[in-house]
Amino acid sequence: SQQGEEDPQALSIQEGENATMNCSYKTSINNLQWYRQNSGRGLVHLILIRSNEREKHSGRLRVTLDTSKKSSSLLITASRAADTASYFCATEGGGADGLTFGKGTHLIIQP
Amino acid sequence: NAGVTQTPKFQVLKTGQSMTLQCAQDMNHNSMYWYRQDPGMGLRLIYYSASEGTTDKGEVPNGYNVSRLNKREFSLRLESAAPSQTSVYFCASSDVRTNSPLHFGNGTRLTVT
Repeated sequence: SQQGEEDPQALSIQEGENATMNCSYKTSINNLQWYRQNSGRGLVHLILIRSNEREKHSGRLRVTLDTSKKSSSLLITASRAADTASYFCATEGGGADGLTFGKGTHLIIQP
Repeated sequence: NAGVTQTPKFQVLKTGQSMTLQCAQDMNHNSMYWYRQDPGMGLRLIYYSASEGTTDKGEVPNGYNVSRLNKREFSLRLESAAPSQTSVYFCASSDVRTNSPLHFGNGTRLTVT
């Protein structure tokens, strides 16, 4: 069953604006990861945040994690046309069976 | 450095036919995974292999078999394809000992008619 649920399912913004996507999950986690998928391609890892971390930055990406609310957010600042993609959150619970993915947010950056 | 390579990229099968999807990684990762991606469903785990010589069922294993041929290669077999198996299949690998993220191939688009 799906662990993470992204919100919104789709988001369209103007280039230069900030994009925020949210993820909620159900069970305890070791870490939460965000991935990007360009059309017709595999997923690419963006950032990992551990369960004992609250915020993490990587370039134009900012991720927050609230384990009490079982939620995370991904902020992309100063968006570019190349950021158009689907974004997935994935949770890792400590087992050997890898990650459990959400259904994704489809982000469109209008030039 | 190729990363994770999947073949074929596209495949059309008739109901009842069989085929094997191939996956190879060159990153010396211990763990390998097969996911399927369907519209509106995200990615769902079919099978995984935590290390060479071991395989385990994921969320949606019915209708599939896997083989971890060696550390590099992890294949997925459909013995008797069904239209419900029309999907995009992704192979991924990671090194859980170092908490590495998943590295994905570019997928195989399978249509079963």
